[in-house]
Amino acid sequence: ILNVEQSPQSLHVQEGDSTNFTCSFPSSNFYALHWYRWETAKSPEALFVMTLNGDEKKKGRISATLNTKEGYSYLYIKGSQPEDSATYLCASSPEKTSYDKVIFGPGTSLSVIP
Amino acid sequence: DVKVTQSSRYLVKRTGEKVFLECVQDMDHENMFWYRQDPGLGLRLIYFSYDVKMKEKGDIPEGYSVSREKKERFSLILESASTNQTSMYLCASSLAGTVYEQYFGPGTRLTVT
Repeated sequence: ILNVEQSPQSLHVQEGDSTNFTCSFPSSNFYALHWYRWETAKSPEALFVMTLNGDEKKKGRISATLNTKEGYSYLYIKGSQPEDSATYLCASSPEKTSYDKVIFGPGTSLSVIP
Repeated sequence: DVKVTQSSRYLVKRTGEKVFLECVQDMDHENMFWYRQDPGLGLRLIYFSYDVKMKEKGDIPEGYSVSREKKERFSLILESASTNQTSMYLCASSLAGTVYEQYFGPGTRLTVT
């Protein structure tokens, strides 16, 4: 089974701090990388889907980069706000599977302290 | 907006009962997924369907079955519920192809006593 890892497991930051976390995936078998935000009592929502090495995507204060050669993606949050508190999931899809398989990492739980 | 709905937010069942979890999406998506989420383990795929009456086992299919008789509806069935199936169950849908984001339902927290 493809292993997708995320670090750190959890993070507590002060409001206004910038933060980042990491998603690692096997670089030898890669097709697409997804980032999702999952707020408590809500459904996970997609932030980004990236496929190309060097891809960088941005949505407001949140951005993500992708390095397919070394098998990692970073998610950055600039000037964290309490509403950014959530679990951030990444998911990688390998090439050459019999169906549209996406493997999720365990998530990074972010708490932003006002 | 894509909407994915699940039949129950919370469910309590007894060991040995047959349990049905229903999921409906309104965006004509080809793919539908059932995941379970347990602390520290992330989302694990139980079953996937890419078309009506078509299904593929995910990583943890044991103890579960699925049914997709209509494109918009994907059901997860626990044939004989056990306590180790106590979990959060999430349904998702997407267009065909892994470059497309998945849209998730609100989840069903199932407790088996």
